[in-house]
Amino acid sequence: GAGVSQSPSNKVTEKGKDVELRCDPISGHTALYWYRQSLGQGLEFLIYFQGNSAPDKSGLPSDRFSAERTGGSVSTLTIQRTQQEDSAVYLCASSPWGGHGRNEQFFGPGTRLTVL
Amino acid sequence: AQSVAQPEDQVNVAEGNPLTVKCTYSVSGNPYLFWYVQYPNRGLQFLLKYITGDNLVKGSYGFEAEFNKSQTSFHLKKPSALVSDSALYFCAVRDANNNAGNMLTFGGGTRLMVKP
Repeated sequence: GAGVSQSPSNKVTEKGKDVELRCDPISGHTALYWYRQSLGQGLEFLIYFQGNSAPDKSGLPSDRFSAERTGGSVSTLTIQRTQQEDSAVYLCASSPWGGHGRNEQFFGPGTRLTVL
Repeated sequence: AQSVAQPEDQVNVAEGNPLTVKCTYSVSGNPYLFWYVQYPNRGLQFLLKYITGDNLVKGSYGFEAEFNKSQTSFHLKKPSALVSDSALYFCAVRDANNNAGNMLTFGGGTRLMVKP
């Protein structure tokens, strides 16, 4: 079956521009996560959606970052007024709910964002 | 709070030799533990997890990991390394008693280099 997909795979933008990154989770997965991975670094949690509950935004680094998930499926991560330090690979993951957090997360290939 | 430490930035091993990638964790309750692998320009792939039961967990590609509660460790192992195992490995933990959601905390990653 289809895995998690993300688009675009690469995005180059100029400092100060807004960007939108898209994530299509695995069908039926109710949990969706966004992470940021800087060059050679670990994963930094950004935001988490679970069903119709209010998202956990505790990892968003500034108010320039926002995300939404429409219809409980596709998610968009928006970065406004991009800065060079926003350059990173943005990873999306989804997982089925239930099992009290025992389920593994399935990751997309990521979007590599470069801010010039 | 939950945290993960991967004390080695890089592990070098010769093909055919056993490999170990170290991981220690900290949670207030019982841990759910995961290992993921990331190949170049790819998203993370799930390898194995410990939820409960046997301390020795077997996963994909011949990898296994041993949960050690007294040492709060979950080291990844493989009896005979392959050059194709060369990749970035991430350990992750979730506190089973955490009611805040399905949040995973990732370690900083360990680069495994297997030389012919």
